[in-house]
Amino acid sequence: SSELTQDPAVSVALGQTVRITCQGDSLRSYYASWYQQKPGQAPVLVIYGKDNRPSGIPDRFSGSSSGNTASLTITGAQAEDEADYYCNSRDSSGMHVSFGGGTKLTVL
Amino acid sequence: QVQLQESGPGLVKPSETLSLTCTVSGDSVSSGNSYWSWIRQPPGKGLEWIGYIYNSGRTNYNPSLKSRLTVSLDTSKNQFSLKLNSVTAADTAVYYCARIVYKGNDLFDYWGQGTLVTVSS
Repeated sequence: SSELTQDPAVSVALGQTVRITCQGDSLRSYYASWYQQKPGQAPVLVIYGKDNRPSGIPDRFSGSSSGNTASLTITGAQAEDEADYYCNSRDSSGMHVSFGGGTKLTVL
Repeated sequence: QVQLQESGPGLVKPSETLSLTCTVSGDSVSSGNSYWSWIRQPPGKGLEWIGYIYNSGRTNYNPSLKSRLTVSLDTSKNQFSLKLNSVTAADTAVYYCARIVYKGNDLFDYWGQGTLVTVSS
C-alpha cells in the first residue's frame, strides 16, 4: 500500500470546482507534485512545488498544502480534465519516492 | 525538447530477467541537473516507483524491489537501463522511464511513452 493516500474516485459537474487530496506524513516536510494520466498515455506533470504549473498547463489547475495534506484544485473543470490524477512525494523515511494510489476524476 | 524512449522485450518468462533500456535525447544522462528513473504500472492499477540513478552512477531503489533490481547508465549511448531478475506474473506492467529534476520534491517532468512487459510462459 502507498504511504500517500488518495480518494479512489471523485466526480465534478462540468464547469464546477473540484479538489483532489493527497495525505501522508512526508507532506509535512516535502512538497507534493501532481500528474494527470489519460487512458493509454504516460502521466503528465501538472503541478509542483508550492503552486507551480509547467508550461502549457492551464491556469485552472492549482495546488496547495496544509499539514499532512496536499491538494490539487481544478477551477472550472472541463471535459478534457477527466483522467486519473496521482500525487508524488517522498515516503515517510524521506529516502525514497512514493506515489499516491491515484484518483479517478469523472466530469459529469 | 527532452524525449525518452523505452525499448526491450515485451514478453519475459517467469524466473527470468526483465531488461529494458531508455534512450534519452535533448538532455544528457551525464548532466548533474537531473536524474533518471523507472516507474511501472500494472494493468488497471496505479504508478509504482522502481528506482533512479544519478549521473555519478549512485542509485536509489524501491525497497520492495531492491533485492532483484539493477539500474545502470551508459553515458556513451546516452541511455540508462533496468534489469529485474526472478520475475513473476506480478511484474507484468507498463514500464516507463522518466527524467527527474528536484525542486523541493522529485519532479518527473519528462516521461517515455511506456512499454508493456508481460511475464508469462
